[in-house]
Amino acid sequence: KAGVTQTPRYLIKTRGQQVTLSCSPISGHRSVSWYQQTPGQGLQFLFEYFSETQRNKGNFPGRFSGRQFSNSRSEMNVSTLELGDSALYLCASSASMNTEAFFGQGTRLTVV
Amino acid sequence: DQQVKQNSPSLSVQEGRISILNCDYTNSMFDYFLWYKKYPAEGPTFLISISSIKDKNEDGRFTVFLNKSAKHLSLHIVPSQPGDSAVYFCAARQRLSGGGADGLTFGKGTHLIIQP
Repeated sequence: KAGVTQTPRYLIKTRGQQVTLSCSPISGHRSVSWYQQTPGQGLQFLFEYFSETQRNKGNFPGRFSGRQFSNSRSEMNVSTLELGDSALYLCASSASMNTEAFFGQGTRLTVV
Repeated sequence: DQQVKQNSPSLSVQEGRISILNCDYTNSMFDYFLWYKKYPAEGPTFLISISSIKDKNEDGRFTVFLNKSAKHLSLHIVPSQPGDSAVYFCAARQRLSGGGADGLTFGKGTHLIIQP
């Protein structure tokens, strides 16, 4: 069974630009969640989608948004990028909202 | 405030011995706990989980113990192997009143080093 796939693996963007990251969950998994990892803050929850609906949201500004498609694939968008948005963005999929989450390799975003 | 704390940033253990990684939490609403292992530039790998209705869960070399009264959990790895060298994250999840669960809250991680 294929794991969680995130694209792209690496990305360099300029301040003020916007970026879209993609995540394909494990086949059959309907829950997709996103996390940001930085050296200072560690792993922080961004949001979770289940059946195309955002179910939970962490403490991030509105510049961070996401969506989930009918095939459970998910995208995350960050608008008006700031230097502090440089991080490893991780996507995780679960069979349901109450089971263990399996992570992808992450997308390393660098904002210059 | 940090709801999940891993107070040891690093831990060095000799190969073959037991590794014990500790985690404390403050939110009494957490009811599901997980341990992940992470290598640099990779996503976390799920290791083992435990529900708050249990106090122990075992999977091969990995055992997780949960002490709800102390709000403490630990991961035991026996015997420790060189491939176990990685950063280990403790995570917790809170069940929501309307059904479903909140996102995972992670500790800052413990870097485990297995020495030959």
